[in-house]
Amino acid sequence: AQSVSQHNHHVILSEAASLELGCNYSYGGTVNLFWYVQYPGQHLQLLLKYFSGDPLVKGIKGFEAEFIKSKFSFNLRKPSVQWSDTAEYFCAALTGNQFYFGTGTSLTVIP
Amino acid sequence: ETGVTQTPRHLVMGMTNKKSLKCEQHLGHNAMYWYKQSAKKPLELMFVYNFKEQTENNSVPSRFSPECPNSSHLFLHLHTLQPEDSALYLCASSQGEGSGGEQFFGPGTRLTVL
Repeated sequence: AQSVSQHNHHVILSEAASLELGCNYSYGGTVNLFWYVQYPGQHLQLLLKYFSGDPLVKGIKGFEAEFIKSKFSFNLRKPSVQWSDTAEYFCAALTGNQFYFGTGTSLTVIP
Repeated sequence: ETGVTQTPRHLVMGMTNKKSLKCEQHLGHNAMYWYKQSAKKPLELMFVYNFKEQTENNSVPSRFSPECPNSSHLFLHLHTLQPEDSALYLCASSQGEGSGGEQFFGPGTRLTVL
């Protein structure tokens, strides 16, 4: 079965620190990749997505992710986090007709 | 506001109750989904409807019964639930199953089964 792994379950950073959240998927064929964010008390919303083309994808709020096919990875990065980035982050892969989500990474940014 | 609304936002029910969760999307999408979100677990896909037809049922117990009367509305009927069914139930929609597009999520219904 396909799966998406997020290695960091809980990350705590100070403001202005750099962020990298890991995501690996297990599917070997064509895959569309997504990062979703869930702010406290809010719904899941899309941060960025990769379908094809440039493997470095830029999303909203200064986030970016790099698709590395050889590593089956799609890590999320932000050079300088803010307190408002405190949220749960989910990586997802769409293969064929089905979405697979990771377990999520809880990010806490300390002012 | 994503264009996907869910009601109620919170629900507490006993194991013998019958209740329904409602989802409505205002995006003109053709596919709708029910997910279960539990702590420390990946989102679990429960049901998929594409053009009102159920296309996925991921081994969900029969105490959960979906209904999709049209492309804009999706219900999840609940009957004789167990305490382990307590979770956040998320509805999502997309352009169409297999379209490769992103899913848009509602705010969820926080369900507590006593």
